[in-house]
Amino acid sequence: DAGVIQSPRHEVTEMGQEVTLRCKPISGHDYLFWYRQTMMRGLELLIYFNNNVPIDDSGMPEDRFSAKMPNASFSTLKIQPSEPRDSAVYFCASGQGGNNEQFFGPGTRLTVL
Amino acid sequence: AQKVTQAQTEISVVEKEDVTLDCVYETRDTTYYLFWYKQPPSGELVFLIRRNSFDEQNEISGRYSWNFQKSTSSFNFTITASQVVDSAVYFCALSENNAGNMLTFGGGTRLMVKP
Repeated sequence: DAGVIQSPRHEVTEMGQEVTLRCKPISGHDYLFWYRQTMMRGLELLIYFNNNVPIDDSGMPEDRFSAKMPNASFSTLKIQPSEPRDSAVYFCASGQGGNNEQFFGPGTRLTVL
Repeated sequence: AQKVTQAQTEISVVEKEDVTLDCVYETRDTTYYLFWYKQPPSGELVFLIRRNSFDEQNEISGRYSWNFQKSTSSFNFTITASQVVDSAVYFCALSENNAGNMLTFGGGTRLMVKP
């Protein structure tokens, strides 16, 4: 299996621009997670889906962030408008079943100038 | 609320030394799951192990071993005969049975193995 695929790997944008991060989970996995990693806050869960349905989005920092999962093989995390404090590495992970290990993608390093 | 504490922010050892990374957790759930992940300098997160709260047996995988003790709410990770390639940030994580699949991560321990 190819593992979790994320794109782009690096994104540099200017404040106020819209940013879209993409994720393709491992085939057959029914859970998908979006995390953010920063030096200050460590690894934080933003939102997760089960069978394409958002289950918990309490980690989404504010309304500027939104996530969708239109089908079992694709998810997006959108930031609009972006701000410098959104600069971080964003990870997507997928897993099968409840409370099982999650497999992480390589991450997207976002820099907002 | 669940919480994971990795008190050691950074550890430096010389190759071939044994090293133990500490992990202490808090949970009110009787059923929960503990994990360790490795994040090498390349940045990806690599799954190492998962344990459930009913299985306190220690686990060994090559040079890696894990000690799970419910009495002290700890899930420590030992690397025997460390190697330079073990240099990474190691994260301990917890998920509660009643919290869906939500993983709470500790702050991580940066391990540096010097030749």
